[in-house]
This record gives sequence, C-alpha cells and structure tokens, in this order.
Amino acid sequence: GENVEQHPSTLSVQEGDSAVIKCTYSDSASNYFPWYKQELGKGPQLIIDIRSNVGEKKDQRIAVTLNKTAKHFSLHITETQPEDSAVYFCAAKSYSGAGSYQLTFGKGTKLSVIP
Amino acid sequence: DSGVTQTPKHLITATGQRVTLRCSPRSGDLSVYWYQQSLDQGLQFLIHYYNGEERAKGNILERFSAQQFPDLHSELNLSSLELGDSALYFCASSATSGEHNEQFFGPGTRLTVL
Repeated sequence: GENVEQHPSTLSVQEGDSAVIKCTYSDSASNYFPWYKQELGKGPQLIIDIRSNVGEKKDQRIAVTLNKTAKHFSLHITETQPEDSAVYFCAAKSYSGAGSYQLTFGKGTKLSVIP
Repeated sequence: DSGVTQTPKHLITATGQRVTLRCSPRSGDLSVYWYQQSLDQGLQFLIHYYNGEERAKGNILERFSAQQFPDLHSELNLSSLELGDSALYFCASSATSGEHNEQFFGPGTRLTVL
C-alpha cells in the first residue's frame, strides 16, 4: 500500500519568514495530493491540493509543488503569521479497489510561528 | 465550518462497552470516510461508504463496524472497547468516490475509554 513520509515533525519560524514542509510517497500511481491544517480541538481543514498533471499550485501565501519523478511534494507558506500555527498534514490518494480511493496521511508537522 | 457534522463531541466510557458515533455528510455528498487519529499512529483510514454501500476498508478492527443509511448519514460502531481505542474519530465526506474529489472533515468525536 501507499506510504507517506513527512518532514520535519516540528518547525518554528519567526513571523514573516517562510515555512517549508516536505513529503514523499511510495505509490507511483497516486495522482492527488491534498494538504490539511489542523488547529487544536478541530478537524483537519483542506487548505490546498495538487493533481499530478501540474507541478505547482499557488493560493495567496500558500503554494504546493509536486515532483512525480522523485515522488515528493512540498508545502510552502510565505510571510507566515501567528494564525498559521497549527499541525499540517500531507496526504496521497491511492486506489484501494471497488471504485474507492484512499487517503494516506503523513505523521504531521507542528508549525509554530513566533511573533 | 466544513458542513460535516459529528456527534457526540466527547464520549467517555468503560472498557468492554459499546458506543456509536454519528456523522452527517455535507449536503449532496455521497461518500463518507471514517478515520481514527491517535498520537502514535496519526490519521488512519478505517472505512469508506458510498451511497449506502461499503467500498473500502483500511485498518479497521473486527470489533468496529459502520453503516451508511438511506439519508446518507453514517454511524461507526465500536464494541468491546479497550483502553487503546481512546482516540479522536473523524468522518469526512466527498461528492463522489472519485480520485480527485476533495474530502472535507468533521470536527471529530473524542473517545476516552477508562
């Protein structure tokens, strides 16, 4: 099955700096890669996703890049703000049979933005 | 607010008991997924239902079962509970079961087994 590795597990940055979180996956057939932000006491919130037919996608201060050859993808947050502090999860979607696709998650990165 | 609702928010019970967690998907979504989140295992996929039918199973124990009803809400049943079942349980919904469909998560149910 799919395996997703995520690094680093914790990340501290100064407000205004950039943050980068990296993930690798194992199933070359995976074609959809979402990123989720989870704040304390809440469910994961989809913040951006990328499909395998594109190499980069941006949404304001957030960008995701994908390298299918190397099987890795990254989340970039620019001009970080204290409200960006949360746990971020990457995921890869792979086929699990019977018309179903399954998300496999990384272990998460706890991002702390220091004012 | 994702539009996915889960009840109850918190549940405290004893070992050996049985509990039922409830999930209502976003309006119009046909797929419901259940996940378990624990500190040591992270977010683990349990089971997927699409329009009332089971479509895929992940790391779901035999003591756990789920169903999706005609109104598309879903229930996750956990029986013979053990201390290790203490975790956050999330459901997520998506429009269909397709490869590129986004999954939207509910707020979760925190289960504590004493």
